[in-house]
Amino acid sequence: GESVGLHLPTLSVQEGDNSIINCAYSNSASDYFIWYKQESGKGPQFIIDIRSNMDKRQGQRVTVLLNKTVKHLSLQIAATQPGDSAVYFCAEIFTGGGNKLTFGTGTQLKVEL
Amino acid sequence: GAGVSQSPSNKVTEKGKDVELRCDPISGHTALYWYRQRLGQGLEFLIYFQGNSAPDKSGLPSDRFSAERTGESVSTLTIQRTQQEDSAVYLCASRPPGQGRNQPQHFGDGTRLSIL
Repeated sequence: GESVGLHLPTLSVQEGDNSIINCAYSNSASDYFIWYKQESGKGPQFIIDIRSNMDKRQGQRVTVLLNKTVKHLSLQIAATQPGDSAVYFCAEIFTGGGNKLTFGTGTQLKVEL
Repeated sequence: GAGVSQSPSNKVTEKGKDVELRCDPISGHTALYWYRQRLGQGLEFLIYFQGNSAPDKSGLPSDRFSAERTGESVSTLTIQRTQQEDSAVYLCASRPPGQGRNQPQHFGDGTRLSIL
């Protein structure tokens, strides 16, 4: 059978390097965006969020950039560590529509030692 | 503290059988969501409960799928007459009360359903 991640784009980085994960979203009316990290066998874990009236937000080692003109999100991870290896999903919400998340397809991040 | 709890963690059943999946949300969280995640893919919205309002069932893929929630606590997702394409991980999430814009959903670890 197929293994998890077979159809996911993969980003391989060296430990200590910065990672940039990109995502295109679909709904121009979406007003809230979230990045989730999902480790194998686990549910998605919240990383960072951003409202549509912002274009950048920083957290601890992570930065999210939002470009509404081209409907693009990116997640930057500084000094990538082996524990960052996971699948990363962006999700969009139109808060006028019940706050249900619409997820992108995900990117597998592999950190090489 | 306690997170979202789902049971069973794994379920294997024969095609045609009914299954029930359970979600215990975080205490005090008024909103509860079910999602389906097929192998190697993102999550698909299924159904959303908010307080005493009528649930948003717009993501349920067929009438074989249904869900209930008792007040603001436990929810059960039921799949009748299971088919092989129902094989997936079923994830539950809950969210605290509030405007929602700055209230991210908290996920359980899911139930991995395999239909033989």
